Amino acid sequence: NAGVTQTPKFQVLKTGQSMTLQCAQDMNHEYMSWYRQDPGMGLRLIHYSVGAGITDQGEVPNGYNVSRSTTEDFPLRLLSAAPSQTSVYFCASRGGQTNSYEQYFGPGTRLTVT
Amino acid sequence: AQSVTQPDIHITVSEGASLELRCNYSYGATPYLFWYVQSPGQGLQLLLKYFSGDTLVQGIKGFEAEFKRSQSSFNLRKPSVHWSDAAEYFCAVGESGGWGKFQFGAGTQVVVTP
Repeated sequence: NAGVTQTPKFQVLKTGQSMTLQCAQDMNHEYMSWYRQDPGMGLRLIHYSVGAGITDQGEVPNGYNVSRSTTEDFPLRLLSAAPSQTSVYFCASRGGQTNSYEQYFGPGTRLTVT
Repeated sequence: AQSVTQPDIHITVSEGASLELRCNYSYGATPYLFWYVQSPGQGLQLLLKYFSGDTLVQGIKGFEAEFKRSQSSFNLRKPSVHWSDAAEYFCAVGESGGWGKFQFGAGTQVVVTP
C-alpha cells in the first residue's frame, strides 16, 4: 500500500494562476479531507468528502474547490491563486469503521504564491 | 464545536530528560483524542490515540498520554527524550459522531539540546 500520495511536492505560482493539487489513497477509505498548515495555526480544514460524489466545506474553504468522482482521488483546485494561499497542504483519509477514526496523512505539498 | 489548546508553543528539553506536552480540549461528548508528530519537512505521523477504555495510552517511540476527563486534558509524556524527538507535536480531537471531523491544536515545537 502506498497510503496517501500527493503531487506535486513543491509548487510556485504567480498570483491569479490556477492549479490542481492531487491526492490519492489506495486504502479504500470513505473519508478524505484537505488541510492547510500555517505557522502557529496548526492544521485547518479546507474541504472534506464522506464518499464519492459528496463533499462539504471546512473551516477555510474560500478560494478552493474540490470534487470526488472516485473513492481513490480527491483533488484540490485553486481557482485564482493569491499570496494568502501560500501554505503547506495536506491531504488525509480514514476508513469508515467507528474504531478507526485516525486519519492518515499524505506527505504534503508546499505551495508558494508570488 | 470542538476546540483544542496547546498552551506551550515552544519547549526546550535536554537529551535524556523527561518531556510533557500539554493538551486541553473542549468537546460536548466523549472525544476521540490523538497526538501526531511532524518532523521538519515531513507529513504527520500518528503517535497514539484514545477512543475509550484505559485512560493511559501507550504509543510509538516510547510516548504515552493520559486522558483526564475532569481536566479535559490529554497530555503527552516521554520519560527520556532522544535527539530524534525534536519535532512539532500536534494534539487533535475528533468528533465521535458524523464523519469524525478533526480539530487540531496549534502545535508545540520541541527542541532537544545535548
